[in-house]
Amino acid sequence: KAGVTQTPRYLIKTRGQQVTLSCSPISGHRSVSWYQQTPGQGLQFLFEYFSETQRNKGNFPGRFSGRQFSNSRSEMNVSTLELGDSALYLCASNFGRPQETQYFGPGTRLLVL
Amino acid sequence: AQTVTQSQPEMSVQEAETVTLSCTYDTSESDYYLFWYKQPPSRQMILVIRQEAYKQQNATENRFSVNFQKAAKSFSLKISDSQLGDAAMYFCAYQGVRYGGATNKLIFGTGTLLAVQP
Repeated sequence: KAGVTQTPRYLIKTRGQQVTLSCSPISGHRSVSWYQQTPGQGLQFLFEYFSETQRNKGNFPGRFSGRQFSNSRSEMNVSTLELGDSALYLCASNFGRPQETQYFGPGTRLLVL
Repeated sequence: AQTVTQSQPEMSVQEAETVTLSCTYDTSESDYYLFWYKQPPSRQMILVIRQEAYKQQNATENRFSVNFQKAAKSFSLKISDSQLGDAAMYFCAYQGVRYGGATNKLIFGTGTLLAVQP
């Protein structure tokens, strides 16, 4: 069974631009969660989607948004990029129940110049 | 709000020896899950072990075991017979059980970088 995939793997953007990251969960998984990992703030929860609905949201500004499609693939968008948005963005998926293991993708590394 | 604290930024162990990584957490919830994740240089997060708070028995997975002390809110990871492939960043994570609506939100500690010396 294929694992969680994230595209692109690397991105370089400039301040003020916007970016869209994609996450394809394991087949059959309906929950996708997004995390931001930086050296300064560590791993922080962005949001979680389940069956196309946002189920939970972290403390990030409105520039960070996401959505989930009917095939459970998820995208996150960051508008008006800032230098501090440079990070590794990880997504994780499972069938949706908290007692299930969440499987992480390899991440997208975003560099904002 | 729930918090997770890992007080050891770095640890080192000799190959074949045993090492214990510490984690404490703070929560007012009575039901939750605790995890240890491993993040090697590839950056892929891999689940090492999980513990349900309602279970008193400590979880074990081959060479990995935990010491779960619910009253003390402590959750340490013991790695026995350490191998070179165990070298990685280890994160302790908390997941609350939200009644009336499920969530997969994980709260992570700051991580412990484990080096394994041959």
